[in-house]
Amino acid sequence: DAGITQSPRHKVTETGTPVTLRCHQTENHRYMYWYRQDPGHGLRLIHYSYGVKDTDKGEVSDGYSVSRSKTEDFLLTLESATSSQTSVYFCAIRKRQKGYEQYFGPGTRLTVT
Amino acid sequence: AQSVTQPDIHITVSEGASLELRCNYSYGATPYLFWYVQSPGQGLQLLLKYFSGDTLVQGIKGFEAEFKRSQSSFNLRKPSVHWSDAAEYFCAVGAGGNKLVFGAGTILRVKS
Repeated sequence: DAGITQSPRHKVTETGTPVTLRCHQTENHRYMYWYRQDPGHGLRLIHYSYGVKDTDKGEVSDGYSVSRSKTEDFLLTLESATSSQTSVYFCAIRKRQKGYEQYFGPGTRLTVT
Repeated sequence: AQSVTQPDIHITVSEGASLELRCNYSYGATPYLFWYVQSPGQGLQLLLKYFSGDTLVQGIKGFEAEFKRSQSSFNLRKPSVHWSDAAEYFCAVGAGGNKLVFGAGTILRVKS
């Protein structure tokens, strides 16, 4: 158990509305990540954070923003949701300074209608 | 750029049979390699990892993987598959900048 929770676990929203997903960790890890999972694409990195207020873009960052004001929380915001952002979103943390192994939360299923 | 290819989208094996899932990567330096498993509706669980040293690594649930630099491969194996192994399996490579790049996944079906 990596001590990661995601909220909400499921959400249905309409096109054009803002949506914020929350990732919370209990173990004070420095690195946190947001991915989206779509059939045939595996997991693709949206944004990641390497400390409070330190974030960087991943390969599919367009239409998404993130914030990290506290070590334990990493927020993903869709400013104006589109149907192409219907996906399962996973948060992950990296536990060690050496190596890249990441541990994943349970995921949030987002549907944009 | 780093990339991971999992050539098989679906694989079906009989319970008790052996399993091999293929993974090929593209990365200029010595890679960090991982296999994750995802049961339906669940998050990803780390099965095993390769950083350096012995090229045959053991993981949880009886899985093992072998790193072959000459073939740029990191195939996952299990000698005898159980029905509970049915899941989706992802290979990943550690890329620069503290990031992972994932393959598209292989769905394993186990028939009784």
